Amino acid sequence: DTEVTQTPKHLVMGMTNKKSLKCEQHMGHRAMYWYKQKAKKPPELMFVYSYEKLSINESVPSRFSPECPNSSLLNLHLHALQPEDSALYLCASSSIGLFRGQRDTDTQYFGPGTRLTVL
Amino acid sequence: AQTVTQSQPEMSVQEAETVTLSCTYDTSENNYYLFWYKQPPSRQMILVIRQEAYKQQNATENRFSVNFQKAAKSFSLKISDSQLGDTAMYFCAFMKIQGAQKLVFGQGTRLTINP
Repeated sequence: DTEVTQTPKHLVMGMTNKKSLKCEQHMGHRAMYWYKQKAKKPPELMFVYSYEKLSINESVPSRFSPECPNSSLLNLHLHALQPEDSALYLCASSSIGLFRGQRDTDTQYFGPGTRLTVL
Repeated sequence: AQTVTQSQPEMSVQEAETVTLSCTYDTSENNYYLFWYKQPPSRQMILVIRQEAYKQQNATENRFSVNFQKAAKSFSLKISDSQLGDTAMYFCAFMKIQGAQKLVFGQGTRLTINP
């Protein structure tokens, strides 16, 4: 099973609201990712968690706050967003490669995304 | 830094035809992965195929195959017997094996399969 789930599918929020995006996987993966994707563009990496610790932050504004409560869950807390933050937010997960040749090692599997609109 | 280039912004073929999508990349790394992902209008990014750079044999997955030319830094995707469900945006992506878990994406090729 290579399923990553994300909720909600759609989210509309005002600039003063606080909301959260949720991501869940049950593949035993120990790396989880948040990406932002604008229309007709490739995804842009925001954050990476490895073994529940933040390992990469791509200089994302502090109005985006990630959280990894356990190895299966990843949240993205949103506060005081701007209209230009409207985008598709994708979550992904992967195993972490220890040995060369392990099938599927490091391959990222994506969830269906949350379409965020900031008014 | 690594870069990935997809030189075909859009392609269109008839159902059942074979189509090849191009991808070139630039890196000084010797060990890395290359991927093709598809993103249909439903928006979900779906893994199509993966290639390890240390493997000389080209990866295949059913109707999908790649032509991996390491020296030329080229990684094209061939779709045989194309189907309407293959209509999607296709992204080529690169990732180092050691260290960073960052996917570097190309700009994508929008593929349309016509009936």
